[in-house]
Amino acid sequence: NAGVTQTPKFRVLKTGQSMTLLCAQDMNHEYMYWYRQDPGMGLRLIHYSVGEGTTAKGEVPDGYNVSRLKKQNFLLGLESAAPSQTSVYFCASSFLSRQGPPYEQYFGPGTRLTVT
Amino acid sequence: KNEVEQSPQNLTAQEGEFITINCSYSVGISALHWLQQHPGGGIVSLFMLSSGKKKHGRLIATINIQEKHSSLHITASHPRDSAVYICAVSNFGNEKLTFGTGTRLTIIP
Repeated sequence: NAGVTQTPKFRVLKTGQSMTLLCAQDMNHEYMYWYRQDPGMGLRLIHYSVGEGTTAKGEVPDGYNVSRLKKQNFLLGLESAAPSQTSVYFCASSFLSRQGPPYEQYFGPGTRLTVT
Repeated sequence: KNEVEQSPQNLTAQEGEFITINCSYSVGISALHWLQQHPGGGIVSLFMLSSGKKKHGRLIATINIQEKHSSLHITASHPRDSAVYICAVSNFGNEKLTFGTGTRLTIIP
C-alpha cells in the first residue's frame, strides 16, 4: 500500500494563479483532511470530508475549495493564489473503527507551496 | 475548542539522555496524539491514547486525564530521534484534531 500520497511535492505560483493539490489514499478510509503548516503555528485544518461527496469547512477555509468525488481522492483548490497561502500543505486520512472514535490519522508527505 | 500547549519549544540533548516532552490541554478530549515530523519530511503518528500509558520501543507516552497533561519520553536517545514532536488532541463529538506548535528535539552524538 502506498498509504497517503500527495501531488505535487513542490510548486511555485504567482499571485492570482490557480492550482489544485491532489491527495490520494489507498486504505479505503472514510475521513480525509487538508491542513496547512506555517512556522511557529500548529497544523491548522482547512477543509475535511467525512465521506465521498461530502465536504466541510475547517478552521481556515477562506481562499480554498475542495472536492471529494471519489472516496480515495481529496482535492484542494486555490482559485486565486495569494502570498499568504505560502505554506506546507498536508493531507491526512482516517478510518472509522467499529469501536468508534477517536481515530488515528495517517498523513501524506506534504506539498510545499510558494506564492510570489 | 481546546488549546494545546507544548514544552519545551526546543530541546537539545546528548546522545543517551532521557528525554521528556510535555503537553497540556484545556478541556475534555477523546484522545491525545503524539506525532513525529523529521526535517523536510512527512508526519507520522506515534501514539494515540486516552488513558494510562503506552510504550513502543524506546518511546513511552503517558496521559493524566485529571490534570489534562501528557508526556512523551524517549529513553537512550539517539541522533535519529532528532525531529519535531507534535501533540494533538481529538475533541469530543468530532474527529478534528487541535495541534500544538511542536517541540524541536536535537540529539547530539
